[in-house]
Amino acid sequence: GQQLNQSPQSMFIQEGEDVSMNCTSSSIFNTWLWYKQDPGEGPVLLIALYKAGELTSNGRLTAQFGITRKDSFLNISASIPSDVGIYFCAGNAGNMLTFGGGTRLMVKP
Amino acid sequence: EAGVTQSPTHLIKTRGQQATLRCSPISGHTSVYWYQQALGLGLQFLLWYDEGEERNRGNFPPRFSGRQFPNYSSELNVNALELEDSALYLCATHRDRWREAFFGQGTRLTVV
Repeated sequence: GQQLNQSPQSMFIQEGEDVSMNCTSSSIFNTWLWYKQDPGEGPVLLIALYKAGELTSNGRLTAQFGITRKDSFLNISASIPSDVGIYFCAGNAGNMLTFGGGTRLMVKP
Repeated sequence: EAGVTQSPTHLIKTRGQQATLRCSPISGHTSVYWYQQALGLGLQFLLWYDEGEERNRGNFPPRFSGRQFPNYSSELNVNALELEDSALYLCATHRDRWREAFFGQGTRLTVV
């Protein structure tokens, strides 16, 4: 089946720093989604991408749908303490959603 | 518009018992995914229902089962509960497989 490799698995950064995480796959995807999960809560959709090469922003977050359709990245600029959580990428090749393993982000004030 | 709702939010069961978890999708969403998330770890895919049928199943034993009703809500049943079944169970729904999916708040199952 399809697999998504998400990296890094965890990051511990200083408040104010920029963050970058990415997902790669050996399969082509038609949709890329990025979610954030706070402890004990369900993941919340941050950004949805539908076209290869698409670059979309949501406040301090920017995500891109890779041109090969096999990867996507998420950048967070000027991190703040409330950015702490687990970030998941997800891809859909038209059959079912596949999730990456998550990136745990920790921010030091 | 109401979001994805899961019930109950918390459930405590004894080892060997059965648990039933429920998921109500956003209106118009016909596809439901179920995931298990052990403490602090990734999302383990359990089941996918689409248009009332089971479309795919993750690597879980048969005592994990479910169904989707005509109104597209879904139920996850876990029989013969084991301690390691303690986890956050999440459902996600979407309108069609090309669009974004939305999660419920999860059901925290504790097996004692």
